[in-house]
Amino acid sequence: AQKVTQAQTEISVVEKEDVTLDCVYETRDTTYYLFWYKQPPSGELVFLIRRNSFDEQNEISGRYSWNFQKSTSSFNFTITASQVVDSAVYFCALSEAGGTGFQKLVFGTGTRLLVSP
Amino acid sequence: NAGVTQTPKFRVLKTGQSMTLLCAQDMNHEYMYWYRQDPGMGLRLIHYSVGEGTTAKGEVPDGYNVSRLKKQNFLLGLESAAPSQTSVYFCASNPPLGLTGELFFGEGSRLTVL
Repeated sequence: AQKVTQAQTEISVVEKEDVTLDCVYETRDTTYYLFWYKQPPSGELVFLIRRNSFDEQNEISGRYSWNFQKSTSSFNFTITASQVVDSAVYFCALSEAGGTGFQKLVFGTGTRLLVSP
Repeated sequence: NAGVTQTPKFRVLKTGQSMTLLCAQDMNHEYMYWYRQDPGMGLRLIHYSVGEGTTAKGEVPDGYNVSRLKKQNFLLGLESAAPSQTSVYFCASNPPLGLTGELFFGEGSRLTVL
């Protein structure tokens, strides 16, 4: 069975600090996808990234970066120079990669990030 | 382009009442999903559909039924609502082999069962 663990329930930082959100996953699939979604206080779910299990290269997008390590089954998310607008709940998720595009996501319980001015 | 639209956005029910949540997407997506979000539990898959006329059970299907009579619509029904079904419900859709792999989510429907 697939499982995603986000051990950090809530993190509080001061603006401009760097922060890393941890994600550990379990799967027996050899091919799978990993995701991060952001849920701001308004409640919608915002897609941030999808990573294929074959691609262990780190990804950087502006202040966001992701570190995928298959050896430790982790897909951590770092925000550099955090801003108040980064305050949200962040979800890590996992799905098998069936090849058709169908994705049955298994979500972690989320990490609430509070960035204070 | 509206994307994924859920109606209603809010609803209060009494135990035992029935209701239907409607999810409509205008992106011609093949796959559609219903999730529920509860505090401290993340999102859990209720039911999903891989195409018009097909549905399947997800992780937490009990107490819910679904139908996908038209490709653009995915209905989630509660035949006899229970307080345990108080939750925020999210519908999502995605195309086959989408470029980014993104699941497109609706804005959510908050349901309270008294």
